[in-house]
Amino acid sequence: EAAVTQSPRNKVTVTGGNVTLSCRQTNSHNYMYWYRQDTGHGLRLIHYSYGAGNLQIGDVPDGYKATRTTQEDFFLLLELASPSQTSLYFCASSDEGLGYAEQFFGPGTRLTVL
Amino acid sequence: GDSVTQTEGQVALSEEDFLTIHCNYSASGYPALFWYVQYPGEGPQFLFRASRDKEKGSSRGFEATYDKGTTSFHLRKASVQESDSAVYYCALGNTGNYKYVFGAGTRLKVIA
Repeated sequence: EAAVTQSPRNKVTVTGGNVTLSCRQTNSHNYMYWYRQDTGHGLRLIHYSYGAGNLQIGDVPDGYKATRTTQEDFFLLLELASPSQTSLYFCASSDEGLGYAEQFFGPGTRLTVL
Repeated sequence: GDSVTQTEGQVALSEEDFLTIHCNYSASGYPALFWYVQYPGEGPQFLFRASRDKEKGSSRGFEATYDKGTTSFHLRKASVQESDSAVYYCALGNTGNYKYVFGAGTRLKVIA
């Protein structure tokens, strides 16, 4: 069965702080995604990747960087965190990225920026 | 750009009631349509998909029919249970842009 793990599960930082969220998938999927989830907005795509070293910009990329170091690992970086980035973050993976494939989600990381 | 609209933000039902959650979309081309379910403390889980007009997707007693004419993909279940309480997301996938667009979600609460 598909497995996507995220760490940490909870994170509290201060405004201006530096945060890295980690995601690992063991599905051998090519595509990985970072979303943020906020009440009233559903899930919004931040960045995605279709392989190691590749990065594509999503719909809400401002203030976020991402890096895909291997097929398994995808990181989300907040270099100067702001309170507006307080949210629940989900990582997902899929076998194909053509918009037709099922996505497998991790359990989420709750980030609070004070 | 592509968009998905879920009309109901919250739905409250009693067990054995009939469920309808409305989903309408706007997209170029011929998108695939999805339903996901999210239980408390978990990430969303794929429920089912439909990729052509009049195709019905179904899983766990839930179903939806792709209707290109009305640009809809409404989720239905004949008899809900308390265990169905969750947030339901309608999503659209388009080959033109390699990603999904999610609706805002509908929170379903089923009272025993």
